[in-house]
Amino acid sequence: ETGVTQTPRHLVMGMTNKKSLKCEQHLGHNAMYWYKQSAKKPLELMFVYSLEERVENNSVPSRFSPECPNSSHLFLHLHTLQPEDSALYLCASSPRQGEGYTFGSGTRLTVV
Amino acid sequence: TQLLEQSPQFLSIQEGENLTVYCNSSSVFSSLQWYRQEPGEGPVLLVTVVTGGEVKKLKRLTFQFGDARKDSSLHITAAQPGDTGLYLCAGPLINFGNEKLTFGTGTRLTIIP
Repeated sequence: ETGVTQTPRHLVMGMTNKKSLKCEQHLGHNAMYWYKQSAKKPLELMFVYSLEERVENNSVPSRFSPECPNSSHLFLHLHTLQPEDSALYLCASSPRQGEGYTFGSGTRLTVV
Repeated sequence: TQLLEQSPQFLSIQEGENLTVYCNSSSVFSSLQWYRQEPGEGPVLLVTVVTGGEVKKLKRLTFQFGDARKDSSLHITAAQPGDTGLYLCAGPLINFGNEKLTFGTGTRLTIIP
């Protein structure tokens, strides 16, 4: 596969559940990102990984926990989320930080 | 305070009409990128403008970077229903030695057949 692939596409979870979002890229990019997109709000950067090291945590609550085991994979582990965390979660990658991003299709998360 | 302001926020026009959307900032950017996001999908990169005053064309889409590199515009000629989507501009910011993209507020465009 080419591009950035995110799974699952849709996720409904209760506030006490633990789930993980997965992102995979085979573009040879060195930087990967998690963004949150809520209705009527700009894209919010959550985490930045460069060469598998986290270089930025944009004041994200600890109930969101990222993991980057290698340069092709990025996870977002979710635990005890709140209804206001319902949003589209987008993964992106780029050759280097700040360059043109390739986005995945996103995971539409609903917290009930 | 939003670093990149886009206008209009919403635009709905008839097929065949022309339109322009704007991306403005009080900050200077080394480059600006434009993305289009369709419902249920992630944003897709359309173009990157780098030089002040630069104009780039992508079929019916014309992108311009302001001379002072603080603003950009996207002009669409003879709009088609396939142009419908959320248009986002983005520019790189350097924060504590790390460069990241900051995104604008977006323009939601609807082309009516």
